[in-house]
Amino acid sequence: AQKVTQAQTEISVVEKEDVTLDCVYETRDTTYYLFWYKQPPSGELVFLIRRNSFDEQNEISGRYSWNFQKSTSSFNFTITASQVVDSAVYFCALSEGYNAGNMLTFGGGTRLMVKP
Amino acid sequence: NAGVTQTPKFQVLKTGQSMTLQCAQDMNHEYMSWYRQDPGMGLRLIHYSVGAGITDQGEVPNGYNVSRSTTEDFPLRLLSAAPSQTSVYFCASSYSGTATTDTQYFGPGTRLTVL
Repeated sequence: AQKVTQAQTEISVVEKEDVTLDCVYETRDTTYYLFWYKQPPSGELVFLIRRNSFDEQNEISGRYSWNFQKSTSSFNFTITASQVVDSAVYFCALSEGYNAGNMLTFGGGTRLMVKP
Repeated sequence: NAGVTQTPKFQVLKTGQSMTLQCAQDMNHEYMSWYRQDPGMGLRLIHYSVGAGITDQGEVPNGYNVSRSTTEDFPLRLLSAAPSQTSVYFCASSYSGTATTDTQYFGPGTRLTVL
């Protein structure tokens, strides 16, 4: 069965620091998808990124970057020059198979607190 | 588009009571899902539907019932509420289940407390 582990339950940084959120996954499928979602204090879930198992290229979007390494089954998320608005709970998630995009297995989440 | 809407936002029940959490989407999405969010456990899939008339169980289906009579609506029923069902419930929808390109849109959540 699939599993997602986010070992860091809570991280606190000072504004402008870089921070990396770890995500380790387990799956037996060769085709799978990894996701990151952000849950700000208001409670909604915001989609950040999707990555499929055949594409190990790292991705950068502004201050956000993602490092996917199949060798270590990890999909880590880095925020560069963090800002107070980045304070949120971040979830890593996994779906197995091509047509399972609506069946996500989530990690326990990492609460990021960015202090001014 | 209103996106995915959920009602109510908050609900308090007594053990043994029944209720229905409503979920609706106006994006003509075929796929809809219900998740519950508990501290430290992330979100867990309760039930999902791949189209009107078709539903299936997720990871934690016990104590919950669903049906999908229309494309727009996907209600979640608690037949006899228990304190273990105290949680935040999220409904989600996507156009298809294709993980390659499709994105799940989540509703704002319903916070349920069972006393």
